Amino acid sequence: GAVVSQHPSWVICKSGTSVKIECRSLDFQATTMFWYRQFPKQSLMLMATSNEGSKATYEQGVEKDKFLINHASLTLSTLTVTSAHPEDSSFYICSASSGTRLITFGSGTRLTVV
Amino acid sequence: GEDVEQSLFLSVREGDSSVINCTYTDSSSTYLYWYKQEPGAGLQLLTYIFSNMDMKQDQRLTVLLNKKDKHLSLRIADTQTGDSAIYFCAESYSGGGADGLTFGKGTHLIIQP
Repeated sequence: GAVVSQHPSWVICKSGTSVKIECRSLDFQATTMFWYRQFPKQSLMLMATSNEGSKATYEQGVEKDKFLINHASLTLSTLTVTSAHPEDSSFYICSASSGTRLITFGSGTRLTVV
Repeated sequence: GEDVEQSLFLSVREGDSSVINCTYTDSSSTYLYWYKQEPGAGLQLLTYIFSNMDMKQDQRLTVLLNKKDKHLSLRIADTQTGDSAIYFCAESYSGGGADGLTFGKGTHLIIQP
């Protein structure tokens, strides 16, 4: 149990376009979802926390207009990187929690902006 | 602020035990985790420990917690080539997911034949 599916696994996009990443909890209701970013050979940095039905809470330094997070249902959260630039290239990982279980991570999305 | 520190690399011979160390600064940490990340993949939860525990063992994995020194370690017995990965130490105040996790930079475990 406690499976989190993240899609796509990797994506290459042109500079200036937008990319949407999906994070789904397959067998539990995720009241809270988290989005992390990982630069090469670095740790994961929390970008934002989203609760179902409410606006996401962004960490300091993360542009909310750049990284749009939608958590419209208890099983789906999306992260949209708007007007992507090469410096947005990174590994993005989501995680989900039902509030009573430990946090489960998705498999990550490798974004390359060219 | 919160901080989690780990050594960047650890090299061990196949069959030996690996000990990966971690220190943290937030004394309110309630849950401490060890995650494994293989190249290009997401995080796999290996084990976790509550702050009121000193030790937890799960098959080849042993976690030791020294709360006084804010020191956490992960011991992998009989290290195999499949154990080669990056191991992240992480902490949170609320294990149920009310807040996110704070991660260390990860320790690259390198297995020598």
